[in-house]
This record gives sequence, C-alpha cells and structure tokens, in this order.
Amino acid sequence: QQKVQQSPESLIVPEGGMASLNCTSSDRNVDYFWWYRQHSGKSPKMLMSIFSNGEKEEGRFTVHLNKASLHTSLHIRDSQPSDSALYLCAASRPNTNKVVFGTGTRLQVLP
Amino acid sequence: EAAVTQSPRNKVAVTGGKVTLSCNQTNNHNNMYWYRQDTGHGLRLIHYSYGAGSTEKGDIPDGYKASRPSQENFSLILELATPSQTSVYFCASGLGNQDTQYFGPGTRLLVL
Repeated sequence: QQKVQQSPESLIVPEGGMASLNCTSSDRNVDYFWWYRQHSGKSPKMLMSIFSNGEKEEGRFTVHLNKASLHTSLHIRDSQPSDSALYLCAASRPNTNKVVFGTGTRLQVLP
Repeated sequence: EAAVTQSPRNKVAVTGGKVTLSCNQTNNHNNMYWYRQDTGHGLRLIHYSYGAGSTEKGDIPDGYKASRPSQENFSLILELATPSQTSVYFCASGLGNQDTQYFGPGTRLLVL
C-alpha cells in the first residue's frame, strides 16, 4: 500500500525563523503532492500543491518537488506563532480521486 | 471557499449500536470522501464517492458502510459500533481528479 512518510514528527522554531518540513512517497506512480495545514481542533486546509519538478513560492511559503526521488519539502520563512499547526503531506496517482496522507509534522513557533 | 458541513459534531455511542454520520456540501462537487484521524495514523480514507449513487471502498473500509443519495449528501454508517472506531471523522469534497479537497469541521465519535 502506498505510504507517505513525513519528517520530522515535530519541529520547534523561534518566531522569525525558517521551518523545513519533508515528505516522501513510496509509490513510484504518484505525480501530485499537496501540503495541508491543520490548526488544533480545526479541519485540514490546503496550503499548496505541486506537480512539476522544481520550486513554487507563495508569500512566506515555498514548496520543492523532486519527482525522481518522490520527495517534496515545505519551507516557511519568517515563521509566525500563527503557523503553529499540524502540516499534512498528501500524494496521488494520475487520473484518480484517491489521495494518501502522511501522519504529519507538528510545528510549534515560539514567540 | 467550499462549504462542507457535518452532523453531529460530537457523538457518544454504545458498543454494538448503529451510528450514522452525515455530510453535506453545497458546491456541487462530484467527489466526496470520509476519513478518520487518529494520533500516529494521520488521515485514513474509509470510503469515497464519484457522484450520487456511487460509493467506493477506501483504504480502511471494514466496519463501515457509505451512502451517497444525492450530489450534496454523503453518509457514513457504522452498523455495529466498536470502541476501536472511536476517532475524529472528517468528510471532504472535491471537484475532480487530483483536485483540492475541502474538509468539513469533523465529528468526534466516542464508542463506549
């Protein structure tokens, strides 16, 4: 069964610092990745998606994808306490509605 | 943003009882999903649907049934609830293949 592995499990960064989160799929057929953010007690909300090799930037958030290694990473610069949340990586194969989620990285940004 | 609602928001059930969780979306999305979220397991797909009248098994369907009577509604049914089904359940909807999923607020289920 397809697995999505995330690391680290938890991460603490100071306010204003850089947070780097990693995600790798074990399924060589996946070609689309998402990053969802879930604040405590809330539902997941899509943050960014990527399907092309390379980098995509939106504000303080940058996502990288290496399709050869099936590895994606999320980088948050100038981290804010409001960024404290569970970050979920998800991956899917082409032409499918099914998505597999990782177990998440819990990020804490200390003021 | 897509509007997905779930009811009830909290539920306490007894072992062996029947539980129905309901989900409604108002954005005319074709696809709907049921997940459960447990510490250490992330979000796991139980059932999903491509449209009214269709249901498909996800990765952990045992002990669950699903029903999609209309485009807007998708239910998750636990015919004989067990304590191992204590969890937070999320419904989500999406337009099509590899589309962003929009989640409801979740239902916290406790089976005693």
